[in-house]
Amino acid sequence: QSVLTQPPSASGTPGQRVTISCSGSSSNIGRNYVYWYQQLPGTAPKLLINRNNERPSGVPDRFSGSKSGTSASLAISGLRPEDEADYYCAAWDDSLSGVLFGGGTKLTVL
Amino acid sequence: QVQLVQSGAEVKKPGASVKVSCKASGYNFSNFGITWLRQAPGQGLEWMGWISADSGATNYAQNLQGRVTMTKDKSTSTAYMELRSLRSDDTAVYYCARGVVSGPRGPCDYWGQGTLITVSS
Repeated sequence: QSVLTQPPSASGTPGQRVTISCSGSSSNIGRNYVYWYQQLPGTAPKLLINRNNERPSGVPDRFSGSKSGTSASLAISGLRPEDEADYYCAAWDDSLSGVLFGGGTKLTVL
Repeated sequence: QVQLVQSGAEVKKPGASVKVSCKASGYNFSNFGITWLRQAPGQGLEWMGWISADSGATNYAQNLQGRVTMTKDKSTSTAYMELRSLRSDDTAVYYCARGVVSGPRGPCDYWGQGTLITVSS
């Protein structure tokens, strides 16, 4: 069972804005950076958001990240069919001295 | 361009060991770390640990301590992950990813293609 809690699924229609939440605790999200990864079907994950809200080079500005307290969110605006993927949040946990991942959210573009 | 190329799929019997390789190219290997992760069939990502490609310092996930060893070879820009005493629940796709050299907390910005390890009698 993941210590970072994400909704198992999310959906939206093309052009819509969707958000995916990631809930943790003071030992992980509360004190450390949050990272978001996108995993397209059958492929390796890709870094989507760095250090809570930074987009790596090549990531469209339709993707944005935020963090408040012990929770974080990934927002995707102008939803496109190619955004259909699994999304994972991750953060270092000081108590475990390891990286925790959320259970993943499967995004469906209707 | 940065590339991480992993070794091929393997089938192992319970109790055996497996060693997966990850050959890096397109960047200075010693300036970064390598993180290992795995993903069981239909499941989410699990962090296994990290190794500094410079010093060889490691940090392993608590639940794998004693069964996993991560090493690196600067001369070939290759990182290795060995997992011992394999069980059926170790069946997964194993990934290497480029991390930061200073420690295990940073992001994984480039990933290998994944290596399927199947543990079955």
